[in-house]
Amino acid sequence: NAGVTQTPKFQVLKTGQSMTLQCAQDMNHNSMYWYRQDPGMGLRLIYYSASEGTTDKGEVPNGYNVSRLNKREFSLRLESAAPSQTSVYFCASSEGQGGGHEQYFGPGTRLTVT
Amino acid sequence: QQPVQSPQAVILREGEDAVINCSSSKALYSVHWYRQKHGEAPVFLMILLKGGEQKGHEKISASFNEKKQQSSLYLTASQLSYSGTYFCGTESGGTYKYIFGTGTRLKVLA
Repeated sequence: NAGVTQTPKFQVLKTGQSMTLQCAQDMNHNSMYWYRQDPGMGLRLIYYSASEGTTDKGEVPNGYNVSRLNKREFSLRLESAAPSQTSVYFCASSEGQGGGHEQYFGPGTRLTVT
Repeated sequence: QQPVQSPQAVILREGEDAVINCSSSKALYSVHWYRQKHGEAPVFLMILLKGGEQKGHEKISASFNEKKQQSSLYLTASQLSYSGTYFCGTESGGTYKYIFGTGTRLKVLA
């Protein structure tokens, strides 16, 4: 049982390049989330998917797109990377949406945009 | 609106107790607590729901004051392994979107 996995672990991009961060979970969870974490800051929600086939914006969605490929996988795409998107990106999943369900986090992707 | 956590940082000796507070300007439906060690992912500690239901680890306790829109995490008889940054995540208005605080850095010394 791997839990939540993310690829890649590290990435360096140049301004204007695009890339997709991959996330998969093997816990049969319905809800999945993408967060970013900047130094000294808490986690900020970028997008989430309450269930397969649905996605919704979080606090900081600008510059990102997501795809809920199937129940297991939820990807985050940066179409034209900017230095302000340098951050650590965490994917998380939970059994359902709402307050009664804890979130399980992946190990993170450390992204640097130069 | 991001919840406010206090204190921002605390240093303890093994065996000492600590309280971490989380305060929101909005009415809360639920509060989650997570601990993150340096370079690692956040790990779930506790959920507190409106109405009094709680779910979490046996050795961790917390309170949720709905009227004051506050939650507190109680760490008793601290161990070295308790070191890390503690985050509260709050959900308001049934939006299912969690807003996390900026964290409380806790260091336990031998």
